[in-house]
Amino acid sequence: DGGITQSPKYLFRKEGQNVTLSCEQNLNHDAMYWYRQDPGQGLRLIYYSQIVNDFQKGDIAEGYSVSREKKESFPLTVTSAQKNPTAFYLCASNPGQDSNQPQHFGDGTRLSIL
Amino acid sequence: GESVGLHLPTLSVQEGDNSIINCAYSNSASDYFIWYKQESGKGPQFIIDIRSNMDKRQGQRVTVLLNKTVKHLSLQIAATQPGDSAVYFCAESSESGATNKLIFGTGTLLAVQP
Repeated sequence: DGGITQSPKYLFRKEGQNVTLSCEQNLNHDAMYWYRQDPGQGLRLIYYSQIVNDFQKGDIAEGYSVSREKKESFPLTVTSAQKNPTAFYLCASNPGQDSNQPQHFGDGTRLSIL
Repeated sequence: GESVGLHLPTLSVQEGDNSIINCAYSNSASDYFIWYKQESGKGPQFIIDIRSNMDKRQGQRVTVLLNKTVKHLSLQIAATQPGDSAVYFCAESSESGATNKLIFGTGTLLAVQP
């Protein structure tokens, strides 16, 4: 089945630690996105990538980093500079900016602080 | 399971009734709108989308209505079923013609009573 796979489902971070969330898609989509979801708030865009080896900051990029070395993979690193990392992280993809296709999401990673 | 939102507006309906979920958007220049369904602990699932050159679009048991004059979007679900219980939220594109920069609403919790 084609889709977006996020792992792990649950992740715990210690003080001062960087953690990396995985997002893999086998939909052959060019564009991939990372969002953060907090209770009672809408999804907020962290980073997005329209094509391999290129990415742009979203609205809340501080404390996060990404890479896009392969079309199917868009890992997100939550760095120690992110002081409030506890949230539900969602990865999405779509064929691309000019595709007129909606974004489709993975099932998320829930990050908590130890 | 985890809650995807606390203190969300809640719509409670009886099984078999029709549901109407509303969304007000902010940007009069937005020209693409999407409805998503999110079940507890899962990622958002695409339901239906609509472009601003349309007032209405129908899918299977769902209809989206767009009123550009008052910047209002609604999702109608016919013959609501227990499996429809979830958080529903709308998203608008912040750049004309682009599906990569979406602004998400906070969501409405639909509770279907058997």
